[in-house]
Amino acid sequence: SYVLTQPPSVSVAPGQTARITCGGNNIGSKSVHWYQQKPGQAPVLVVYDESDRPSGIPERFSGSNSGNTATLTISRVEAGDEADYYCQVCDSSSDHPVFGGGTKLTVL
Amino acid sequence: QLQLQESGPGLVKPSETLSLTCTVSGGSINSNTYYWGWIRQPPGKGLDWIGIFYYNGSTSYNPSLKSRVTISVDTSKNQISLKLSSVTAADTAVYYCAISSSLGGYFDLWGRGTPVTVSS
Repeated sequence: SYVLTQPPSVSVAPGQTARITCGGNNIGSKSVHWYQQKPGQAPVLVVYDESDRPSGIPERFSGSNSGNTATLTISRVEAGDEADYYCQVCDSSSDHPVFGGGTKLTVL
Repeated sequence: QLQLQESGPGLVKPSETLSLTCTVSGGSINSNTYYWGWIRQPPGKGLDWIGIFYYNGSTSYNPSLKSRVTISVDTSKNQISLKLSSVTAADTAVYYCAISSSLGGYFDLWGRGTPVTVSS
């Protein structure tokens, strides 16, 4: 089955740019989606199909995808962005969704 | 505005069957727009996809759980149900229902989740 690899943690100072990676074999050929999950809450979709944002998600959240790495970029990071972030793709061999292990974003 | 609300017993004994429901409001589960999914999250861990149900009755399950899982719907109550048999402590998790517009696609609406503990 398809495996997605995320760094366990990323730290960034307020106002700086956070980049959270999601690695997978030829992930550049897949549509990647990103979720934000704050403590005690359900995940929220923040980026879908690599770089689209649902209604209500700030433009500070953006995505890119190439080769074996997809990246969620959060510009001008705020304290409220502190959360766990998960990437997701569809395993084309089974049509099953696959999640990365998650990355904890800490705002210093 | 579509909303999802999970419910069910918070405590299940080992070897028994976990049964949860997801009540849908603001829309019909008979809609061909959505795939209705279940996802779980063990304490302190990541997201684990359980399975999905489509309005035409088709289902798809995580291979690691397939022998123990059943997802079905009750159209009269506008509910999606999850049954997981022969549970162990490893099934302790927060269980979420969520919707997707495509098989294997992103989940753009989630319920709040319901915690389930497997313990005697």
